Amino acid sequence: DAGITQSPRHKVTETGTPVTLRCHQTENHRYMYWYRQDPGHGLRLIHYSYGVKDTDKGEVSDGYSVSRSKTEDFLLTLESATSSQTSVYFCAIRPGVSGTDTQYFGPGTRLTVL
Amino acid sequence: AQSVTQLGSHVSVSEGALVLLRCNYSSSVPPYLFWYVQYPNQGLQLLLKYTSAATLVKGINGFEAEFKKSETSFHLTKPSAHMSDAAEYFCAVKSFNRDDKIIFGKGTRLHILP
Repeated sequence: DAGITQSPRHKVTETGTPVTLRCHQTENHRYMYWYRQDPGHGLRLIHYSYGVKDTDKGEVSDGYSVSRSKTEDFLLTLESATSSQTSVYFCAIRPGVSGTDTQYFGPGTRLTVL
Repeated sequence: AQSVTQLGSHVSVSEGALVLLRCNYSSSVPPYLFWYVQYPNQGLQLLLKYTSAATLVKGINGFEAEFKKSETSFHLTKPSAHMSDAAEYFCAVKSFNRDDKIIFGKGTRLHILP
């Protein structure tokens, strides 16, 4: 258990509404990631963070923004949710600075946009 | 750029039979490779990783994988399948870009037949 929690675990929302997903870690690791998982696509990186207030885009960042004001929290915001953002969202952390370090994943948030 | 290809989105094996899940990678530098497992409604869990040490890597739950540079492969095997092995398996390669992300394959769902 890498001490990662995600909230909410399930959410149903309507098109056009803003949504914020939270990832919380208890270990003060520097690197945090947001992925989305869709059938046939594996996991795709949305945004990542390499420290407080230091974030950058991944391969599928359009329509998403992130913030990291504290080491332990990494927030993912859908400014105006669309049905194409229906997905399962996973947060991950990576301990240490070595490139071989494993990423540890949270339990996921299932988001449905109607 | 790094990438992985998993052959077969679904694989079925009988309980007690050999499990073989195929993964081929593409990398311009010596790769770091991973296998993750995802049980239903859970996050991803690391099975094993290759980081340029021994080419035969042993992981949890009796799984192992062999790095073959000549074949650019990192296939996952287990001598005898158990019902509890039914899950989705993801091969992944580490990115050597600034984001240090993990690039996932599209996954292989393993079905165990009684």
